[in-house]
Amino acid sequence: DADVTQTPRNRITKTGKRIMLECSQTKGHDRMYWYRQDPGLGLRLIYYSFDVKDINKGEISDGYSVSRQAQAKFSLSLESAIPNQTALYFCATSDSRGADTQYFGPGTRLTVL
Amino acid sequence: QKEVEQNSGPLSVPEGAIASLNCTYSDRVSQSFFWYRQYSGKSPELIMSIYSNGDKEDGRFTAQLNKASQYVSLLIRDSQPSDSATYLCAVNKAAGNKLTFGGGTRVLVKP
Repeated sequence: DADVTQTPRNRITKTGKRIMLECSQTKGHDRMYWYRQDPGLGLRLIYYSFDVKDINKGEISDGYSVSRQAQAKFSLSLESAIPNQTALYFCATSDSRGADTQYFGPGTRLTVL
Repeated sequence: QKEVEQNSGPLSVPEGAIASLNCTYSDRVSQSFFWYRQYSGKSPELIMSIYSNGDKEDGRFTAQLNKASQYVSLLIRDSQPSDSATYLCAVNKAAGNKLTFGGGTRVLVKP
């Protein structure tokens, strides 16, 4: 089984809808991250969490919110989706006791019509 | 100026040749450096990490770090068609901090 899982893997929705993307990990890592990827723009950090009670905004947090329900679960919400949020979304984890290496989930392809 | 910059490519190399990828970063206090490989539509996977000046080799991959010049490079020896992917450079300013990614370099290895 994959160490970092994301659900759903693909989602098509309409403008104005609320969407939640979920991430779960079995790696035992304390840190979790949400990124979005657009063609040619690399990975941009949306939110990150260094433990269950710690939530931080990344470089592009507007229009998004997150919830760290447990050490192993970190969800990303789009309260009112808009077309320019169409992108590939990745969750990642890292271990504060380790070497800063981040491990990525398989990604969620989100299309907002 | 972007914090981490890479040439977007594509970098086209013949099979068996050496692919050379470069990455520059702006923050002089950066401490940790990573190369990720990403196939189209897939998630990034770590191929190399480097923390001190010099070369680090792992199989066909060699990472080179020069903190004085603020660049990190990746060499892929004996390039194979399966190496065709986008390579992402990532930099960590301090231990325990968050990574900043470059835009990636697309590599095409032609048989």
